[in-house]
Amino acid sequence: DAGVIQSPRHEVTEMGQEVTLRCKPISGHNSLFWYRQTMMRGLELLIYFNNNVPIDDSGMPEDRFSAKMPNASFSTLKIQPSEPRDSAVYFCASKTVPNTEAFFGQGTRLTVV
Amino acid sequence: KQEVTQIPAALSVPEGENLVLNCSFTDSAIYNLQWFRQDPGKGLTSLLLIQSSQREQTSGRLNASLDKSSGRSTLYIAASQPGDSATYLCAVDGGTSYGKLTFGQGTILTVHP
Repeated sequence: DAGVIQSPRHEVTEMGQEVTLRCKPISGHNSLFWYRQTMMRGLELLIYFNNNVPIDDSGMPEDRFSAKMPNASFSTLKIQPSEPRDSAVYFCASKTVPNTEAFFGQGTRLTVV
Repeated sequence: KQEVTQIPAALSVPEGENLVLNCSFTDSAIYNLQWFRQDPGKGLTSLLLIQSSQREQTSGRLNASLDKSSGRSTLYIAASQPGDSATYLCAVDGGTSYGKLTFGQGTILTVHP
């Protein structure tokens, strides 16, 4: 398996624009997680899905953030409208629960100017 | 709410030294604890997963121990090398059936020749 695949790797956008981040989890994994990493706050869990169903979205900072998982092999994280404070590295991770290793993608570095 | 703390925040050692990284967590009702490595600008690479029923896990020069009752884990790196320089993160699976990981802030390790 190629691991968790995220796209794009880098995104630069203007404030107010819509941004969509994409993730393909490892085949066979039943849980998917979106994390955000900043210098100030470290790694924060935004939302996680189990069997394509959102389980906990309490980490989503505002209504501007939304996430979907239409099938077992694809998830999106959307920010609309984007703001400079959304600039961060966004990671997607997947695993088979319970009690197995989580595997992370390479991340998407988002810069909102 | 689970909180994870890593000490020290940064560590600089000469090549060849054995070293210990510490991780503590507030809620001992965990399924497992995972250690990750992150190189600058990269994603997280899983190093070791230690189940709540285990006391330790080994991989090459790495050894992770877990004392669940006291809420502590250590990552021991033997005979450190410059290539070990990275940020090391511990993450606790919080005990829900969906594998939610809570991360510490990490230890930045520098091994100089």
